[in-house]
Amino acid sequence: EIVLTQSPATLSLSPGERATLSCRASRTVSSYLAWYQQKPGQAPRLLIYDVSNRATGIPARFSGSGSGTDFNLTISSLEPEDFVVYYCQQRSNWRPLTFGQGTRLEIK
Amino acid sequence: QVQLQESGPGLVKPSETLSLTCTVSGGSTSSSAYYWGWIRQPPGKGLEWIGSVYFTGNPYYNPSLKSRLTISVDTSKNQFSLRLSSVTAADTAVYYCARHKNFYMDVWGKGTTVTVSS
Repeated sequence: EIVLTQSPATLSLSPGERATLSCRASRTVSSYLAWYQQKPGQAPRLLIYDVSNRATGIPARFSGSGSGTDFNLTISSLEPEDFVVYYCQQRSNWRPLTFGQGTRLEIK
Repeated sequence: QVQLQESGPGLVKPSETLSLTCTVSGGSTSSSAYYWGWIRQPPGKGLEWIGSVYFTGNPYYNPSLKSRLTISVDTSKNQFSLRLSSVTAADTAVYYCARHKNFYMDVWGKGTTVTVSS
């Protein structure tokens, strides 16, 4: 099983600031990594797939980077609705597909 | 626009079988482009992939749940289903169905809460 470790667990920033969330894999996942956003009481929403491709309808302020074992999700200028939880997920090894434990973005 | 909707009992007794169905609208479970699967989220915790199924019926299971798990698809009803046997309190969670495109979950249902309790 590929373990994904997200850091930090909680990130405190202000609206308008730049956010960088990290996801590290226990072994290489090549470019097969996605990011999801989850708002309270809602299902997750796919933001980024294959490291850097934005899903349909996702604003340009969201971007992804990395390869191998180290990946980042960057939000260039935080909007109030961005202060929620983010998960990374790998599909390099489907036995099983795995998610990180999540990063909570909170208002400073 | 594709929509997914979970249905099934919200309360299951320990040792019994949890059964959920996901109904797909605006799209087809017969499509060769997608898998259809289940993800769960225990209260206050993260996401766990349960398993997925292709339109052919070929399933992919999380090894940690495989011995208790059956995921199937009924293309005539445009539905797919989850059965998890011998449940315990650790199986209490919000259960989501989701469309998988290249094993990423690009369309999700709203989720259904399942509590395991006597």
